[in-house]
Amino acid sequence: DIQMTQSPSLLSASVGDRVTLSCKASQNIYKYLNWYQQKLGEAPKLLIYYTNSLQTGIPSRFSGSGSGTDYTLTISSLQPEDVATYFCQQYNSWLTFGSGTKLEIK
Amino acid sequence: QVQLQQSGAELVKPGSSVKISCKASGYTFTSYDMHWIKQQPGNGLEWIGWIYPGNGNTKYNQKFNGKATLTADKSSSTAYMQLSSLTSEDSAVYFCARGTTAYFDYWGQGVMVTVSS
Repeated sequence: DIQMTQSPSLLSASVGDRVTLSCKASQNIYKYLNWYQQKLGEAPKLLIYYTNSLQTGIPSRFSGSGSGTDYTLTISSLQPEDVATYFCQQYNSWLTFGSGTKLEIK
Repeated sequence: QVQLQQSGAELVKPGSSVKISCKASGYTFTSYDMHWIKQQPGNGLEWIGWIYPGNGNTKYNQKFNGKATLTADKSSSTAYMQLSSLTSEDSAVYFCARGTTAYFDYWGQGVMVTVSS
């Protein structure tokens, strides 16, 4: 199984900050990587698919990048409504998720 | 609009089975995979498997072989997951999610299953 490791597990930042969340795969996943946002008590929401494609309706402050084993989700200007846990998910070999990064406002 | 409406919370006894449902609307039910995902409190997400309602084909995470059984009723646009031989390790929130073999674009609200005597 491909293991997905997210860092940090907890991130505290200020409104307006540029925020970067990391996701590392245990082997090359050839950009087959998605990002989800889960707010407290809600289902996850798809943000980014295939590393850098923005899902319809998602604000443009969210972007994704990466290749090989290392991937990044960037929020260009953190907003209060971005408080959530963010999960990466690979689909190169079956489907596995990272353990999540909890993002809070400082 | 696409909606996935899941059944209500379940409290079940160890060793028993439970069947939860996911009613789809707003799209052609038989044209998309339906996935099931497990989330334990404070934990991450675990993919269980998928069913393609168009032909009933299924694919399971090996870890859930024998634990989960996925079915779909085309007449009512409803997908089902049955979990058997329940233990405390099966206590979790279970989501259905429309998707492809790559990603999950619409999710149900989740069903909390609690296994307790």
